[in-house]
This record gives sequence, C-alpha cells and structure tokens, in this order.
Amino acid sequence: GAGVSQSPRYKVAKRGQDVALRCDPISGHVSLFWYQQALGQGPEFLTYFQNEAQLDKSGLPSDRFFAERPEGSVSTLKIQRTQQEDSAVYLCASSYQVGEFTEAFFGQGTRLTVV
Amino acid sequence: AQKITQTQPGMFVQEKEAVTLDCTYDTSDQSYGLFWYKQPSSGEMIFLIYQGSYDEQNATEGRYSLNFQKARKSANLVISASQLGDSAMYFCAMREGPSGGGADGLTFGKGTHLIIQP
Repeated sequence: GAGVSQSPRYKVAKRGQDVALRCDPISGHVSLFWYQQALGQGPEFLTYFQNEAQLDKSGLPSDRFFAERPEGSVSTLKIQRTQQEDSAVYLCASSYQVGEFTEAFFGQGTRLTVV
Repeated sequence: AQKITQTQPGMFVQEKEAVTLDCTYDTSDQSYGLFWYKQPSSGEMIFLIYQGSYDEQNATEGRYSLNFQKARKSANLVISASQLGDSAMYFCAMREGPSGGGADGLTFGKGTHLIIQP
C-alpha cells in the first residue's frame, strides 16, 4: 500500500472487553513498531518487530498487552480486559531496513476509548 | 530523568516568520539519532528531519533545519518562512545505538504545539 494503514480508526470498548488493533505496514518494510500516545503526550514505545520476530517488548505496560506479526507483514496489538488507563491513540510505524537511524513511517493511529 | 525535553508547550508565530522549537536530550551513548516529527490534528506522524550524532553538519530539509549543538545536547528545529499549514504538534525524538541499552523504538518528547497566525 501507499502508507501504513491502521484499523479501526476509532474503537470504543467497555471496561473488561478484549480489543484487537490491526496494522498494515508499507509493503516490504522489515521493521514494525507500536507506540501508545496518551492525550497531550508524546508517543511511548511499546514493542518492535523485525520481520516476524518480536525483538523488543520492553514497553508493553502489562501482560494484558500482546502483539504479534506472524508472517512478517500485518501486525495485531491485542489488549485483554481493557481498563480506562488503556485509553489512548495506538500508533504503528514501519521502516524499510534494520538500523537504529532509519526513518519510520507512521499510520494515522487507532483511538481507543475505554468506558 | 527525561531523555527528551521540549520546554515550549505552545508557541504562537506570525506567518512568514522563522520559528525555533527547542529540544534537549540526555544520553550517555556516543551513537544516537535525533528526529523531528510533525503531527497535525489528523493524527499521523510526519517525519521532518534527522540528525546523526556523528554528523558534523547540521541537517537541512527544505524549510526545516536542525541546529545541532552536541556539547549542549541540544537539537533545535528551525522552520524558516513559516506557513499556516505548519500549525501542528511537533515532537523531538531520539533513538540510541545498540550500546545505549534503551528500547529499540524512538523516545519522544512531550511536544510543542505550534500555531501560525496570519
């Protein structure tokens, strides 16, 4: 695709509900990142994939958060038993090569509201 | 301690003026990269400019330049001839090298909300 695509754009979940957020990176991009952006804050790193391998999940806030990228392209971020503090915009980014200083292209994000 | 500090929560600038957005960073790593992103109200993060820690010259991309002062750990973004469409949130971010021990992703500041006035 032309850019990083995320779906849904908006999600309202009742507290305790499980949600799944999808990220479709730019075709051929090796690296994929998930970030969480609370209202009025900068994005915070959650997890990183290189192809299908999850190389860094140090930013996941709890074991309720789980991410996967089974075939090295599309990724899903799953949040179990959602809580109000999970309300945020979840951003996905991809980059075409491995390297610390490679430009990452971001999607428009999924705004999650937990009520 | 904050790794990226942006001290200007909001700025109002007259159209066509130049504007400087401040960013200081904290790392003990010798190898790192500094990025600036723009986030309009639509939500996507748009890459603007990158500076590597070993780059001797300041990065420039069109109307954007990065004033890199390594000894002061400062990486200010300069936008020349501002336009109404420059109104957005601006984030400074850093990625440390493998020896930095940090996460593989970018560390972002809290952002500066820039409003360009006609």
